[in-house]
Amino acid sequence: AQSVTQLDSHVSVSEGTPVLLRCNYSSSYSPSLFWYVQHPNKGLQLLLKYTSAATLVKGINGFEAEFKKSETSFHLTKPSAHMSDAAEYFCVVSGYSSASKIIFGSGTRLSIRP
Amino acid sequence: ETGVTQTPRHLVMGMTNKKSLKCEQHLGHNAMYWYKQSAKKPLELMFVYSLEERVENNSVPSRFSPECPNSSHLFLHLHTLQPEDSALYLCASSQEIAANTGELFFGEGSRLTVL
Repeated sequence: AQSVTQLDSHVSVSEGTPVLLRCNYSSSYSPSLFWYVQHPNKGLQLLLKYTSAATLVKGINGFEAEFKKSETSFHLTKPSAHMSDAAEYFCVVSGYSSASKIIFGSGTRLSIRP
Repeated sequence: ETGVTQTPRHLVMGMTNKKSLKCEQHLGHNAMYWYKQSAKKPLELMFVYSLEERVENNSVPSRFSPECPNSSHLFLHLHTLQPEDSALYLCASSQEIAANTGELFFGEGSRLTVL
């Protein structure tokens, strides 16, 4: 069975400081992992994805994530937060061809303080 | 035009009304999905269509009725809804049935309020 846990429901950082959004997964096989972002009143947009290639994945808008199998983690980071990064972020695990096996985390709301 | 377009963006309906949500994708994808997003809950997959055939139906009440007339269009017909059905309904598409990729392209959603 697969599952994904986003460890923080809300993260608040100051503009210009690093961002860390934590995600742990559970999977009985090699998963594909994703981060999606949702700005207010918008749909979800893919930030980055890991599909068993390089463990450090770079995405859009300066975000990156590192797949750590030993820790079953896929944390999302950014060196310097920008006001436009304020949004909801979803960690997603997938591994089967069935759409129901795409498991979304409950989301982390990122707030940016001026 | 954006890749996945949903209309209407906002809908208010009474419990006895019948309405429909529409989704159109301009990406040439073969699979389309309906998700429900409620406050404080993870995204819930409702329906999946591949090449106009329904391939998944995740125990959704019959008051929600999907229709996929072609690979570019997806509808969600609504009737006799309950207030707890108020949510953001998201449409998504993918090249195939997200086969080991999970990469979905989402519309901006239809915000439904049931009075």
